[in-house]
Amino acid sequence: KNEVEQSPQNLTAQEGEFITINCSYSVGISALHWLQQHPGGGIVSLFMLSSGKKKHGRLIATINIQEKHSSLHITASHPRDSAVYICAAPTGGGADGLTFGKGTHLIIQP
Amino acid sequence: AAGVIQSPRHLIKEKRETATLKCYPIPRHDTVYWYQQGPGQDPQFLISFYEKMQSDKGSIPDRFSAQQFSDYHSELNMSSLELGDSALYFCASSLLNGDIQYFGAGTRLSVL
Repeated sequence: KNEVEQSPQNLTAQEGEFITINCSYSVGISALHWLQQHPGGGIVSLFMLSSGKKKHGRLIATINIQEKHSSLHITASHPRDSAVYICAAPTGGGADGLTFGKGTHLIIQP
Repeated sequence: AAGVIQSPRHLIKEKRETATLKCYPIPRHDTVYWYQQGPGQDPQFLISFYEKMQSDKGSIPDRFSAQQFSDYHSELNMSSLELGDSALYFCASSLLNGDIQYFGAGTRLSVL
């Protein structure tokens, strides 16, 4: 089973700061997922990436398949970015159910 | 755009009762995944279906069963409910097996 580790577990920053969340996994995978979960519980898929970098608005995700490491960056952070950010990898290294990291609780203060 | 629909949104049951959760994937999505998220825990993968066949199996208890129907909607059947089954149950769907997963809002099950 894939082991997914995230850091930091908690992060508090000021509005406008550049945010980085890191994720590492133990088993080689086809693609890694970044998700966002808000206090109400809803989960939103942010990215699925298998190589290089993807960008969506102020969010950037990068992955290094050889090093089994991915990062999620938030530029010009805003209080509405406050949420739990989760990286998730295919459970068996294949393409099915996901194993979730413990999540990073991000708080952006005005 | 249509999203993943889960019903009911909230469900309260007594111990030893049964519960059925439903998931309607995004149109044209052929793969459905079920996850369980206990209080303060990260989601755990239960089971997935691709083209109406079970595709992958995670930590789903034997008391639970699931299936995907001809219209691609899926149902998670839970029997002999226990207090520890109280959790948020998410369904996700993807266009292809292994593609990006889109999550429903979840069903919050409380077992009393």
